[in-house]
Amino acid sequence: NAGVTQTPKFRILKIGQSMTLQCTQDMNHNYMYWYRQDPGMGLKLIYYSVGAGITDKGEVPNGYNVSRSTTEDFPLRLELAAPSQTSVYFCASRTPSYEQYFGPGTRLTVT
Amino acid sequence: DQQVKQNSPSLSVQEGRISILNCDYTNSMFDYFLWYKKYPAEGPTFLISISSIKDKNEDGRFTVFLNKSAKHLSLHIVPSQPGDSAVYFCAARSNFGNEKLTFGTGTRLTIIP
Repeated sequence: NAGVTQTPKFRILKIGQSMTLQCTQDMNHNYMYWYRQDPGMGLKLIYYSVGAGITDKGEVPNGYNVSRSTTEDFPLRLELAAPSQTSVYFCASRTPSYEQYFGPGTRLTVT
Repeated sequence: DQQVKQNSPSLSVQEGRISILNCDYTNSMFDYFLWYKKYPAEGPTFLISISSIKDKNEDGRFTVFLNKSAKHLSLHIVPSQPGDSAVYFCAARSNFGNEKLTFGTGTRLTIIP
């Protein structure tokens, strides 16, 4: 099992550009999550999904969108990148016993 | 409003000694707690968890203690090894809206050889 994979690993965007962060898991988990981690801070939940076709907002959803068309994939879309979105983004999926498995992260810089 | 707090941003411990990482929470609806370990440039990895019906859970060198009345949990690592140097996050799940975890800000543990 590859677990949770994320692409790209790094990206630099200009203000106003758009991009999609990809996340795929091969563990057949229903629950998937997107977090951001800013320096010296914990993980803040952006969006989550409890299954294909179902998504919901977390703590910090503004400026982001998600979709969940399959169990495996949970992409995160930034429509108009802003410097405040400079962060490290982690995707995770969850077992029935609530343990979350994380991808390696995407480091995004918006300048 | 930080519902899960790790008040020590960093901790240094001699190799072979005990490392104790602390976590406090404010939400009395939290009923399940987890510890994650994170190395640089990697995602967090699950380490150990504890349900609110227990006050201790042990897995090898790692033990988590829960004091519900004080709303406090701690992670003990003994003996500490150089590979334990990482950032440790405490996380909690509420029994209301239990799809999500709330994370603390992390403690950077450095094991000194």
